[in-house]
Amino acid sequence: SQTIHQWPATLVQPVGSPLSLECTVEGTSNPNLYWYRQAAGRGLQLLFYSVGIGQISSEVPQNLSASRPQDRQFILSSKKLLLSDSGFYLCAWSATWTDEAFFGQGTRLTVV
Amino acid sequence: KNQVEQSPQSLIILEGKNCTLQCNYTVSPFSNLRWYKQDTGRGPVSLTIMTFSENTKSNGRYTATLDADTKQSSLHITASQLSDSASYICVVPNNAGNMLTFGGGTRLMVKP
Repeated sequence: SQTIHQWPATLVQPVGSPLSLECTVEGTSNPNLYWYRQAAGRGLQLLFYSVGIGQISSEVPQNLSASRPQDRQFILSSKKLLLSDSGFYLCAWSATWTDEAFFGQGTRLTVV
Repeated sequence: KNQVEQSPQSLIILEGKNCTLQCNYTVSPFSNLRWYKQDTGRGPVSLTIMTFSENTKSNGRYTATLDADTKQSSLHITASQLSDSASYICVVPNNAGNMLTFGGGTRLMVKP
């Protein structure tokens, strides 16, 4: 069966510090991978998606970046965090855009 | 522009009561519509999928409807339980297979 792992679960980082959130998927090959952000009390905002290794599409311009160094690994990064980067970050995968998306447990990021 | 609008934004009901959540979409071309349940601090989980030819589908106490003519879907929860307290998100991919549009969600609180 397929599983998705996302870590860490919570993170408190100072403004200006770097960020690296990692997501890995098991039990499937060549999945679509997604990074979403959810502000408190708000809906999901797609940040990045990837349909293959090294293929990254950005939906929202910001100081975040994403990379897919391996087929089932998706990394969200920042060189310098801003206060506005605080939020709940979710990694997800699906076989295709129209298939069910399976989400990780999320990372609660607080930038102080 | 592809849009998914959900109403109400939030809802409070007493345990045992029924409720109906609404989703209106303008995504084109249409492929399917999914309802997800997101518990606080967790990733969303799919409840049901509605395809173009389906009008009604039930999953336990959850019943989803789809009117493809008016581009509306509803999620009806029967005999609500405290564990139904969550956000319910309507998601519509386009049939071109390159985009997911999320509704803002309805935050449901079931009180004893």
